[in-house]
Amino acid sequence: EGQLVESGGGLVQPGGSLRLSCAASGFTFTNYAMNWVRQAPGKGLEWVSTISGSGFNTYYTDSVKGRFTISRDNSKNTLSLQMHSLRAEDTAVYYCAKARIPSGKHYFDYWGQGTLVTVSS
Amino acid sequence: DIQMTQSPSILSASVGDRVTITCRASQSISTWLAWYQQKPGKAPKLLIYKASNLESGVPSRFSGSGSGTEFTLTISSLQPDDFATYYCQQYHNYPPWAFGQGTKVEIK
Repeated sequence: EGQLVESGGGLVQPGGSLRLSCAASGFTFTNYAMNWVRQAPGKGLEWVSTISGSGFNTYYTDSVKGRFTISRDNSKNTLSLQMHSLRAEDTAVYYCAKARIPSGKHYFDYWGQGTLVTVSS
Repeated sequence: DIQMTQSPSILSASVGDRVTITCRASQSISTWLAWYQQKPGKAPKLLIYKASNLESGVPSRFSGSGSGTEFTLTISSLQPDDFATYYCQQYHNYPPWAFGQGTKVEIK
């Protein structure tokens, strides 16, 4: 069974930057699209970003376009989310989630435990 | 963008009850729908994919149905471990991969 372990969360001031990482193991990383999904305190799930298995295709929710960059290193089985110009509304637990296919119509079949990002002065 | 709406937002039920949660899409998504269960402080867990396919290891008391714009998640006999929040998610048109707002199943 696969394992996803997020890291990099923490407290950051508004306008600051943070880089999240997700270490994957137990499956052939390059074969699957990977995603970031976040959950603000007491709120529901919100899809943030997706990258295809090859890394060629990336997608973002409108509120983070131009501020967040998703990337992956298939040689190191690592997914990353570089976040800039952070806002209070970005405060959330960020989950790394695996898709069951390399790209396209997918759901999230395995999730990490999440990492908390708090944007506050 | 496709909007997903779940009802009810909160459902009070007792152990042994049959429970049904509804998820509606703002336009047809065929059967490209998944259901997740989330317990407090934990990551979501996949229950159902392609509207009615039970994920491996998920108890058979969970079932999903529907197509087009209306879908249901049914728990045939609610167990203590089932008190949680449930989310639907469409994956027909993307981005975004949209979730419903969630349905909390609480003890009556």
